[in-house]
Amino acid sequence: QKEVEQNSGPLSVPEGAIASLNCTYSDRVSQSFFWYRQYSGKSPELIMSIYSNGDKEDGRFTAQLNKASQYVSLLIRDSQPSDSATYLCAVNKKRGGATNKLIFGTGTLLAVQP
Amino acid sequence: GAVVSQHPSWVICKSGTSVKIECRSLDFQATTMFWYRQFPKQSLMLMATSNEGSKATYEQGVEKDKFLINHASLTLSTLTVTSAHPEDSSFYICSADDISYEQYFGPGTRLTVT
Repeated sequence: QKEVEQNSGPLSVPEGAIASLNCTYSDRVSQSFFWYRQYSGKSPELIMSIYSNGDKEDGRFTAQLNKASQYVSLLIRDSQPSDSATYLCAVNKKRGGATNKLIFGTGTLLAVQP
Repeated sequence: GAVVSQHPSWVICKSGTSVKIECRSLDFQATTMFWYRQFPKQSLMLMATSNEGSKATYEQGVEKDKFLINHASLTLSTLTVTSAHPEDSSFYICSADDISYEQYFGPGTRLTVT
């Protein structure tokens, strides 16, 4: 079992719709959770971080965390063609400390159709 | 968000030569810096973690004598690919932790070894 799992996609949604991206992780002690967006040929860009159960909203983005189910999701409202990218879920077992290593999923490719 | 720069953004070198890549945190002091490599259509692979003033910690399978990392200050880390070969051609990306331990990525360096 991979430590962080994502559906590779592609996930295709029409412009203006809600895109729902999902991620599961295997280690229950994980404390920090992140969503990165990576455009083709570019480096990842941090979109959201979430540390507590529940929802966290930032503009059109909402991150959801359920530690009991070991599940993290990212909702993108009013999807735009410019949102088309690979979305990487990342998990950290320990916030801070000597080695603040992120474990990445393989990413979900999102395609927003105009 | 925090800004991380990398230089150069792309480099072409001949087989057998060495290449140095710089990673700087521009508006914050980084507790830890990380070096990743990404091959086409694959996810990020963590190569090593470095803290200012101490030796880097390399991931399993990464040759420390080939990929030299120096972390001279809280804002600068360098990766030197020694005796580069065509199989070292890849997208090298650094990241740095800010004070809240969120990782921000540099724009990446595309290395081509001929």
